[in-house]
Amino acid sequence: EFVLTQSPDTLSLSPGESATLSCRASQRINSDYLAWYQQKAGQAPRLLIYGTSRRATGIPDRFSGSGSRTDFTLTISRLETEDFAVYYCQRYGDSLEFGQGTKVDI
Amino acid sequence: EVQLLESGGGLVQPGGSLRLSCAASGFTFNTYAMSWVRQAPGKGLEWVSIISATGHATEYADSVKGRFTISRDNSNNTVYLQMNSLRAEDTAVYYCVGGFYYMYYFDYWGQGTRLTVSS
Repeated sequence: EFVLTQSPDTLSLSPGESATLSCRASQRINSDYLAWYQQKAGQAPRLLIYGTSRRATGIPDRFSGSGSRTDFTLTISRLETEDFAVYYCQRYGDSLEFGQGTKVDI
Repeated sequence: EVQLLESGGGLVQPGGSLRLSCAASGFTFNTYAMSWVRQAPGKGLEWVSIISATGHATEYADSVKGRFTISRDNSNNTVYLQMNSLRAEDTAVYYCVGGFYYMYYFDYWGQGTRLTVSS
């Protein structure tokens, strides 16, 4: 069974700081088919990153993705108040699965 | 502007049925694969089902296989989710989502419709 495990569950930071979110896959992800989504309270998720490191349209460059094989990272530099949200990683291609999410709060 | 407008949610008894609809606009619907993703109260995201742009291919999560059926009407830019034999654990907000490629990431998200399965 394929599983995506995100860590930490919660990240408590202040505006201006940087956030590093981890997503670990139980099996190698082919072709870096890993995406990240942001979900603010009471809102639908939105696509941030696809292909491990490619920003979706309109996503500011303070969001960056990296990683390969089984270990992936979303980095948010210079946190702004609007960035405090829950972030999910997603594997696509072979199958569609989400990680359990990481909450970034103040 | 891309819009995905879900409807059809509500309160259903266990064992009951319901059909969700999603009306799409603002993009070339018949070139996009469409999915349903759900989120139980206070929980994370769970992919439920996907249908290809032509409607010829579908996939389901194991948790709903045999109970849910996804379909689409490209002439009306609408995707559906027929849900039968509903269980309490199906209670969630159901999001209609679109992705350019089948089994790929999701570019577009609706605002969701809430389903509650309870007696």
